[in-house]
Amino acid sequence: DAGVTQSPTHLIKTRGQHVTLRCSPISGHKSVSWYQQVLGQGPQFIFQYYEKEERGRGNFPDRFSARQFPNYSSELNVNALLLGDSALYLCASSLGAAYTDTQYFGPGTRLTVL
Amino acid sequence: GDSVTQMEGPVTLSEEAFLTINCTYTATGYPSLFWYVQYPGEGLQLLLKATKADDKGSNKGFEATYRKETTSFHLEKGSVQVSDSAVYFCARDSSYKLIFGSGTRLLVRP
Repeated sequence: DAGVTQSPTHLIKTRGQHVTLRCSPISGHKSVSWYQQVLGQGPQFIFQYYEKEERGRGNFPDRFSARQFPNYSSELNVNALLLGDSALYLCASSLGAAYTDTQYFGPGTRLTVL
Repeated sequence: GDSVTQMEGPVTLSEEAFLTINCTYTATGYPSLFWYVQYPGEGLQLLLKATKADDKGSNKGFEATYRKETTSFHLEKGSVQVSDSAVYFCARDSSYKLIFGSGTRLLVRP
């Protein structure tokens, strides 16, 4: 079975632009979470979606938004990009939204903001 | 709030050496504990997990035991290989999310 897939792999944007990152979960998984990993640090939680509803949000500004589609895929949107948004953005899927459900990560999208 | 602390790297070892990477966590609630590995240019892969006190997670020769009394989940391997070179992240769950440590880079020399 295919794992979590993300697109694009790499992305270069300039300050002030908008970006959309995409994620497809493992087949059968209904929950998607997004994490930001700045170089040299551990991933930081951004959002969790389950059954198309936001179940949790991390400490990120309103410039960050996300949604989940009926097929459980998800998009992460970031508006008004800042240099500090440069990072690896990781998507993780799990069967459900229970804290006991193991999260499986995709390869990530590396965003560079110039 | 909840947090995870792990030893800073890099950890440099010769092939076949014994590995320990220390990890401690805040003791709020009854968290599950995880070790993830990140190879260069890739995302995170789940290495092992433990869901309750005294559980031992194991995979690919790596082991970690959930120690509630010391709030620790140290990663060990008896004989490392060059292919184990990667960044290792300790994590705990907290409601709907994972909280990660800052990562420990392991370099294994032939």
